[in-house]
Amino acid sequence: QVQLVESGGGVVQPGRSLRLSCAASGFSFSRYAMHWVRQAPGKGLEGVTTISYDGSNKYYADSVKGRFIISRDNSKNTLYLQMNSLRAEDTAVYYCARDGGIFTITNWFDPWGQGTLVTVSS
Amino acid sequence: EIVMTQSPATLSVSPGERATLSCRASQSISTNLAWYQQKPGQAPRLLIYGASTRATGIPAKFSGSGSGTEFTLTISSLQSEDFAVYYCQQYNNWPPALTFGGGTKVEIK
Repeated sequence: QVQLVESGGGVVQPGRSLRLSCAASGFSFSRYAMHWVRQAPGKGLEGVTTISYDGSNKYYADSVKGRFIISRDNSKNTLYLQMNSLRAEDTAVYYCARDGGIFTITNWFDPWGQGTLVTVSS
Repeated sequence: EIVMTQSPATLSVSPGERATLSCRASQSISTNLAWYQQKPGQAPRLLIYGASTRATGIPAKFSGSGSGTEFTLTISSLQSEDFAVYYCQQYNNWPPALTFGGGTKVEIK
């Protein structure tokens, strides 16, 4: 079955970096765009970044542009999120999610991983 | 950026009754809207996309409607497993923003 497993979260000081990973299984990873979506504690959801199926196109929310980098390794069925210059407001559960379409970007998310918590605090 | 507003924030419903959730966009998004269900401690689950198309495996008790700026998610005959937080999400105005509503919590009355 389709499975997405995030890892790499933890506690990090403001201004430092962290890299998240999302291991995909149960589907043809290289055919799907992928997304990172975050949820601050007790808050709503925010789309963070998107990468096309082949990695050639990347899109970022204004809140993370210039600080976060999305990438993927289709040979390893893995999605990454490099987070630099972290701020307190980046504290959230980060979910990776598969796009709803094949070889396109539909921008709905199905399914989602279980998430990994990133806490930015001194 | 398009702002998505969900109402009510909390909806109290008795088991077996129907729930009607609303989502409003600050500008027209055609039918580029999805609905998600999130239970405590779990990731969201896609229910509806294209405003009215049920995702794979989603029962017919969940139905979506609307276009432009006004959207509705209807859940018929609520069961215990349906009590959760529901979010709408627009994907019309992208890039850069894929924005969500603030959520509606459906609780047991």
